[in-house]
Amino acid sequence: EVQLVESGEGLVQPGGSLRLSCAASGFTFSSYAMHWVRQAPGKGLEFVSTINTNGGSTYYADSVKGRFTISRDNSKNTLYLQMGGLRAEDMAVYYCARGGRGGWYYFDYWGQGTLVTVSS
Amino acid sequence: EIVLTQSPGTLSLSPGERATLSCRASQSVSSSYLAWYQQKPGQAPRLLIYGASSRATGIPDRFSGSGSGTDFTLTISRLEPEDFAVYYCQQYGSSSWTFGQGTKVEIK
Repeated sequence: EVQLVESGEGLVQPGGSLRLSCAASGFTFSSYAMHWVRQAPGKGLEFVSTINTNGGSTYYADSVKGRFTISRDNSKNTLYLQMGGLRAEDMAVYYCARGGRGGWYYFDYWGQGTLVTVSS
Repeated sequence: EIVLTQSPGTLSLSPGERATLSCRASQSVSSSYLAWYQQKPGQAPRLLIYGASSRATGIPDRFSGSGSGTDFTLTISRLEPEDFAVYYCQQYGSSSWTFGQGTKVEIK
């Protein structure tokens, strides 16, 4: 059974940093692209970042480019999101999601999400 | 960046009725790169349809997707009580992923 479990939830001040983790199990982690998607309270889904299978290619939404860094450790089956320069508008539930079997074009499994609160 | 616009914003229907949800793109989208998700309150999204018309694993056949170019549709043939939720379309193109703003299907 595919499982994605996010961690790193927290309250951080504006301008602060936080690292999220996503532990994967039930599939060959190194064979799939991985993504982060977020959802602000009461709002819709927003793409955040993508990383390919070996970590050699990464992509970011314009809203987080230069402030967030996605990475992965295939030996630990874990995906990361290092967030810096946090703003009020970054407050959201952050989901990790697996890229589809047919390619990274869609998200076929999602974690339960972890909440990031940005407030002074 | 391709913008996806979903309509209507809210769809009020009764169990057993047919639901038709629209997703319109600001530029042409490859059918291979259009997906639909369902999200219930307090839960993560769930993949329903990928490649515009392929059902994901375990998705009932009352869910179907169609369309091409800039116009895509998700149809739920007969609404079951568990189908009342928010639905999102999503596209990929030129190393960019975007979602529509969502359509809420509520009980009338």
